[in-house]
Amino acid sequence: RKEVEQDPGPFNVPEGATVAFNCTYSNSASQSFFWYRQDCRKEPKLLMSVYSSGNEDGRFTAQLNRASQYISLLIRDSKLSDSATYLCAVRGYGQNFVFGPGTRLSVLP
Amino acid sequence: ETGVTQSPTHLIKTRGQQVTLRCSSQSGHNTVSWYQQALGQGPQFIFQYYREEENGRGNFPPRFSGLQFPNYSSELNVNALELDDSALYLCASSLGGTGSETQYFGPGTRLLVL
Repeated sequence: RKEVEQDPGPFNVPEGATVAFNCTYSNSASQSFFWYRQDCRKEPKLLMSVYSSGNEDGRFTAQLNRASQYISLLIRDSKLSDSATYLCAVRGYGQNFVFGPGTRLSVLP
Repeated sequence: ETGVTQSPTHLIKTRGQQVTLRCSSQSGHNTVSWYQQALGQGPQFIFQYYREEENGRGNFPPRFSGLQFPNYSSELNVNALELDDSALYLCASSLGGTGSETQYFGPGTRLLVL
């Protein structure tokens, strides 16, 4: 089993739709969780950190479920500019980041 | 922008050659991590340098080596290049020592091995 797994995708959704991505991790000692966005042929860019209490940034909401070892990302009112690959990243204390394979999102007009 | 820079942006090498990639970290950051990202996959951790010392290594052979300088910039060296080394190489800088620091990526170097 891979250390970090994500919904395989791709997700093709119309503008204005709500879309949710899931990411599961196998290391129960993981302490830090992140969502990154990566545009085609570009570097990953930090979208948001994920906190135990959940957090929201505009149209984006991230949740962490430690008991089930997964994190989620919800995008409301999708825009064309949200089209990208979304990577989740997990890290234990003093350990390296482990990235999932990414989920590709295409928002269609 | 993250303030992390990498050079060169693109590189073409032939099998068996050696390559050096460079990374300048964001101002104030003392930790640099290197990743290899093959097409269609997530970044895979190669190693990390914290205050000039290797501070963790992923599942990569010894022909992948690195260095961090006193100004916290870093190099990734790959010897005896193989076709499978073709990938996007990313460096990420962070402020180490807290255990949960956020990483910020540079634009990457795209390496093609023929």
